[in-house]
Amino acid sequence: EPEVTQTPSHQVTQMGQEVILRCVPISNHLYFYWYRQILGQKVEFLVSFYNNEISEKSEIFDDQFSVERPDGSNFTLKIRSTKLEDSAMYFCASSAQSPDRTQYFGPGTRLTVL
Amino acid sequence: AQSVTQLDSQVPVFEEAPVELRCNYSSSVSVYLFWYVQYPNQGLQLLLKYLSGSTLVKGINGFEAEFNKSQTSFHLRKPSVHISDTAEYFCAVANTGGFKTIFGAGTRLFVKA
Repeated sequence: EPEVTQTPSHQVTQMGQEVILRCVPISNHLYFYWYRQILGQKVEFLVSFYNNEISEKSEIFDDQFSVERPDGSNFTLKIRSTKLEDSAMYFCASSAQSPDRTQYFGPGTRLTVL
Repeated sequence: AQSVTQLDSQVPVFEEAPVELRCNYSSSVSVYLFWYVQYPNQGLQLLLKYLSGSTLVKGINGFEAEFNKSQTSFHLRKPSVHISDTAEYFCAVANTGGFKTIFGAGTRLFVKA
C-alpha cells in the first residue's frame, strides 16, 4: 500500500540554524500539507500546498517557514532560523484529487532545537 | 472556523470491555469528520471517516463511529478492546470546501489486562 515517507526521522539542530524537512507524498496525490505536534500537545495545521502554491496557511506559518516542491516527488518544509519553540514532531500529509481530500500522514520528523 | 473537543484526555479500560471515546465539533459550514490513531512514536493512521450518507461508519481494527448532526458529535466506539488498542486517538474535522484539518487534543486509551 502506498504511503507517505519523511526524512530524517530525527533532526537535531542549533538555535538559529536552517533546517529542511523532506517528505515524499503518495505518488498520485495532488494536495500536500505540513502539520506539527509539540510534545504532549495537539496536532496543528501549518500549511497546505496545491498546484505549486500555498493554498492555505495558519498563523504559525510565518516568514521563517517556507515550502517547496522542488521536483515531481519531494515536498519540503524549510525553517530559516530555528528557535527553541520550533522543537516538535513535524508531519507531512498528502491527499488525492477527491471530494473528501482525506489526508494520509507520514511517520513524522522529530525536530530538536538546542 | 471549526473546533474539536475531545471530552476525555485519558480513558483507562480493561481488556475485552467496550469503550467510547467522545468527540464534539463546532462548525458553521459542512464538514468531514475523521478519527486518527497514533501509536507510540509513530505517525497518524486513519481509523475511519464520515463524508456523507449513513451516519454509522465502520473503520479498521473493529472501530466504528456515529455522526450525530443535532448533537454535533462523532463518538468512536469499539465493543471489545485489546491491549494492542492502547494508543492516542484524535478526532478531526475538515471544512468540505477547505484544505486544513483541525484536530482535537487527543484521548489516550489505556487498555489494562
